[in-house]
Amino acid sequence: NAGVMQNPRHLVRRRGQEARLRCSPMKGHSHVYWYRQLPEEGLKFMVYLQKENIIDESGMPKERFSAEFPKEGPSILRIQQVVRGDSAAYFCASSPHRDSTENTIYFGEGSWLTVV
Amino acid sequence: GENVEQHPSTLSVQEGDSAVIKCTYSDSASNYFPWYKQELGKRPQLIIDIRSNVGEKKDQRIAVTLNKTAKHFSLHITETQPEDSAVYFCAIGGGKSTFGDGTTLTVKP
Repeated sequence: NAGVMQNPRHLVRRRGQEARLRCSPMKGHSHVYWYRQLPEEGLKFMVYLQKENIIDESGMPKERFSAEFPKEGPSILRIQQVVRGDSAAYFCASSPHRDSTENTIYFGEGSWLTVV
Repeated sequence: GENVEQHPSTLSVQEGDSAVIKCTYSDSASNYFPWYKQELGKRPQLIIDIRSNVGEKKDQRIAVTLNKTAKHFSLHITETQPEDSAVYFCAIGGGKSTFGDGTTLTVKP
């Protein structure tokens, strides 16, 4: 049973370009969470999605960031017009159940974005 | 919103000694408290978790204690080994979790 799959693992973008990060949840999981980890910091919640729905995007920056989880295919975190401050590790996690305060979540290997 | 404070930020111990990391939180509604280990360049890995109906949980050399009244929970690692060296994070809740800032544990051989 494959775990949470993320790609690319490493991505380099110039300032002003777009970054697209993809996440396929574990088999049987329909709930996806995106987290960002800035260098030397903890993980910060960004967004929670189910298929075709954004459930909670309270942690997403208001501009340039968007996320989707289409009916078919992986969840995508999109960052437009990247800036150096977007350089971070972006982790996706999934769970099998609807969101609750007691769900165990399973992290992917992460996507490391470097903006030059 | 939820706030989690984690201490210490760095911890250095000799191999074989014990290590204790503590987290305090503000939201009394939290019922799930996981701990993660993260090695450099890797994903956070769940090492142990505890739910609010339990005061202590142990898994081999790792244990977690929870005091809901005082709103703190702690990770205990006994008989530390060099491979325990990593960053450890506490968190509140599952799914939409709030993480502590991490503790860098170094185990000296």
